[in-house]
Amino acid sequence: AQSVTQLGSHVSVSEGALVLLRCNYSSSVPPYLFWYVQYPNQGLQLLLKYTTGATLVKGINGFEAEFKKSETSFHLTKPSAHMSDAAEYFCAVSGLHGSGNTGKLIFGQGTTLQVKP
Amino acid sequence: EPEVTQTPSHQVTQMGQEVILRCVPISNHLYFYWYRQILGQKVEFLVSFYNNEISEKSEIFDDQFSVERPDGSNFTLKIRSTKLEDSAMYFCASSHPTATNEKLFFGSGTQLSVL
Repeated sequence: AQSVTQLGSHVSVSEGALVLLRCNYSSSVPPYLFWYVQYPNQGLQLLLKYTTGATLVKGINGFEAEFKKSETSFHLTKPSAHMSDAAEYFCAVSGLHGSGNTGKLIFGQGTTLQVKP
Repeated sequence: EPEVTQTPSHQVTQMGQEVILRCVPISNHLYFYWYRQILGQKVEFLVSFYNNEISEKSEIFDDQFSVERPDGSNFTLKIRSTKLEDSAMYFCASSHPTATNEKLFFGSGTQLSVL
């Protein structure tokens, strides 16, 4: 079974400040981990993903996340927030496709990022 | 970049009515999914579809729901008799056979309102 917990449903930062969105996962199989962003009235857009290999992954718009197996975490960071980063962010987990795994994503409850001028 | 397209963007229906939500996945993708997001809640998996059959479904996906790929390009979600609690944003997604869950491409969603 897999699950995702995002700590903090709302995060507010000032423009130029560090963004840190927390995600912890539970998985009985090696996880694939994802961060998606949802801007108002739009669909889900993939920010970045971890499947295998390097544990620090870089995504679009200056975001990055680090897979820490010992902490079962996949926190999303950005050194300097921009007003355009204001959106809903979802962490998700999946398992290796095959052996009965259809590749579905299990999402966290989402974190709304507010960026103040 | 190729896109998954969903129509309509908004659908309003009366309780008890049937609705069909339509999706056009990316042309060379073979895995298809429906997810939904009730206002203020997390995105939930409904169903996955491959090789013209359901490969996995969630507890939400009961007998009132069905999916179909009628013509090789469209992928539809039908709700036979809508309930108030079916009001949600419904997302279609697809993935390439060699990338499956490494990258799902999501449509922009259909907002279903059941009155």
